Amino acid sequence: GENVEQHPSTLSVQEGDSAVIKCTYSDSASNYFPWYKQELGKRPQLIIDIRSNVGEKKDQRIAVTLNKTAKHFSLHITETQPEDSAVYFCAASSMGGGADGLTFGKGTHLIIQP
Amino acid sequence: DAGVTQSPTHLIKTRGQHVTLRCSPISGHKSVSWYQQVLGQGPQFIFQYYEKEERGRGNFPDRFSARQFPNYSSELNVNALLLGDSALYLCASSKLGATDTQYFGPGTRLTVL
Repeated sequence: GENVEQHPSTLSVQEGDSAVIKCTYSDSASNYFPWYKQELGKRPQLIIDIRSNVGEKKDQRIAVTLNKTAKHFSLHITETQPEDSAVYFCAASSMGGGADGLTFGKGTHLIIQP
Repeated sequence: DAGVTQSPTHLIKTRGQHVTLRCSPISGHKSVSWYQQVLGQGPQFIFQYYEKEERGRGNFPDRFSARQFPNYSSELNVNALLLGDSALYLCASSKLGATDTQYFGPGTRLTVL
């Protein structure tokens, strides 16, 4: 089955700086890669996703890049703000009915320092 | 539009008991997936249902079962509860399945004593 590794486990950045979280996956058949933000005690919320036919996707301060050859994808947050503080999860899924569902990384605790 | 809803919000059970968790997907969504999230970890896939049929199953024991109803709502059942079953149980709905955008419900916090 799929295995997703996520780094770093904790990331502390100064407000206004950029943050980058990286994930690698093992199953070359995976073709859907969402990112979720989870605040303490709340549900995971989708912030951006990318499919394998695209190399990069951007939504305001958030961008995701995908390298299918190397089997890794990254989340980039620019001009970080205090409300960006949360745990971020990457995930991967493969076509064919998604029999394995989404496979998640272990999460990155992003801390924005004022 | 109402989002994904789950009930109950919190649940406390003792070892050996049985529990049923419920999920209502977003209107128009035909797929429901269940995930277990242990504190400090990412969600782990348990089941996926689409059009009332099981489409996927994660690496969980047979004590875990689920079903989807004609209105696309779903139940997750766990028998013979163990202390290790204590977790946040999340339901996610999507139009088509795991490669479609999944929206999570607020979860049910299960504590097994």
